[in-house]
Amino acid sequence: EPEVTQTPSHQVTQMGQEVILRCVPISNHLYFYWYRQILGQKVEFLVSFYNNEISEKSEIFDDQFSVERPDGSNFTLKIRSTKLEDSAMYFCASSERAWGYGYTFGSGTRLTVV
Amino acid sequence: GENVEQHPSTLSVQEGDSAVIKCTYSDSASNYFPWYKQELGKRPQLIIDIRSNVGEKKDQRIAVTLNKTAKHFSLHITETQPEDSAVYFCAASIDNAGNMLTFGGGTRLMVKP
Repeated sequence: EPEVTQTPSHQVTQMGQEVILRCVPISNHLYFYWYRQILGQKVEFLVSFYNNEISEKSEIFDDQFSVERPDGSNFTLKIRSTKLEDSAMYFCASSERAWGYGYTFGSGTRLTVV
Repeated sequence: GENVEQHPSTLSVQEGDSAVIKCTYSDSASNYFPWYKQELGKRPQLIIDIRSNVGEKKDQRIAVTLNKTAKHFSLHITETQPEDSAVYFCAASIDNAGNMLTFGGGTRLMVKP
């Protein structure tokens, strides 16, 4: 079964440092997403990306965050200057098309900001 | 924006009993409703979903019902087994370019052997 792959699985960074989280979506999928989950809480939407541009973003996705699809296969989330409250599990997801078809989550990157 | 409420937050049942988890949503434009099972430290895994053009869907021991008028949907698990123990999340989405999922707060299901 096709998978969404995320690297690294765990990242520890100093407060104020930049981090890049990487994702390889399923190859024939057209929609890409980032979500985050603070420990013990619900999954929260960050951003969706379609046709090489952001299609929707939440209030969490402020100027510190950016996304990119640099080479047609990777999909990255950059946090420019990390804060302690950015510590969470970050999930990438992709879907084949709209209306939820093939919506699949990656295994996540646990980001710890110290 | 969309708001999804989920109840109960914890649910404990005996093995073999049924479990029901309920969600309500606020945006009447929502038309896709997935349910995810999440084990500790793992990704959310889709277990069943329903689109607004149907009222009920069943897959073996799992069923989901949707009431669009009342804006609520429910997950039913019959003949529960200890391996069903996990956190379950409902979500709602509108079929548009964003396709964002709004998640409920989660239900921790514990199935006692």
